[in-house]
Amino acid sequence: KQEVTQIPAALSVPEGENLVLNCSFTDSAIYNLQWFRQDPGKGLTSLLLIQSSQREQTSGRLNASLDKSSGRSTLYIAASQPGDSATYLCAVPMNTGFQKLVFGTGTRLLVSP
Amino acid sequence: DVKVTQSSRYLVKRTGEKVFLECVQDMDHENMFWYRQDPGLGLRLIYFSYDVKMKEKGDIPEGYSVSREKKERFSLILESASTNQTSMYLCASSFGTSGSSTDTQYFGPGTRLTVL
Repeated sequence: KQEVTQIPAALSVPEGENLVLNCSFTDSAIYNLQWFRQDPGKGLTSLLLIQSSQREQTSGRLNASLDKSSGRSTLYIAASQPGDSATYLCAVPMNTGFQKLVFGTGTRLLVSP
Repeated sequence: DVKVTQSSRYLVKRTGEKVFLECVQDMDHENMFWYRQDPGLGLRLIYFSYDVKMKEKGDIPEGYSVSREKKERFSLILESASTNQTSMYLCASSFGTSGSSTDTQYFGPGTRLTVL
């Protein structure tokens, strides 16, 4: 059974720092991996999707990498801003198809001005 | 832009009531999902649907049912609400099958349900 773990559970940094969020998964036979952002009391917003054939994806100040063989992904946030404060979740599809996702429990990020 | 809407942001119901949560998407997506999110447990899949009138159980279907009569609308039904169903409920939709570049799931804003 696929399990997804995110470390750390919470992270507090001053504005301007570069930071890395970690995601690990137990079954490396994945189609893709997604990173989401969730603001308090709100739904999830998709940030990046990395296909299994890719090693990284970039969107603005965000860069996500994927190492299938080691079962790891990282989300790198450059020059963090207070507006980046949110919970970040990673998710991988179950191998039974139909895009059922297995989510990590998230990393809660606080960026202080 | 894809838009997924949910009928209520906040809902308060009493134990034993029948509760309907509605979700509508405007992008002609085949797949629709209902999750619940609880502190410490993360998101857990309740039910999903890959076509009109088609549904499959997720990880925690007990106490819930779903209905998908039209492609754009997916309803979650709590037949007899209980206090342990107090939670944040999130609906999502996506296009296509696993492995394509359009696998992104788009989420609604969520419904925070309290059962007293």
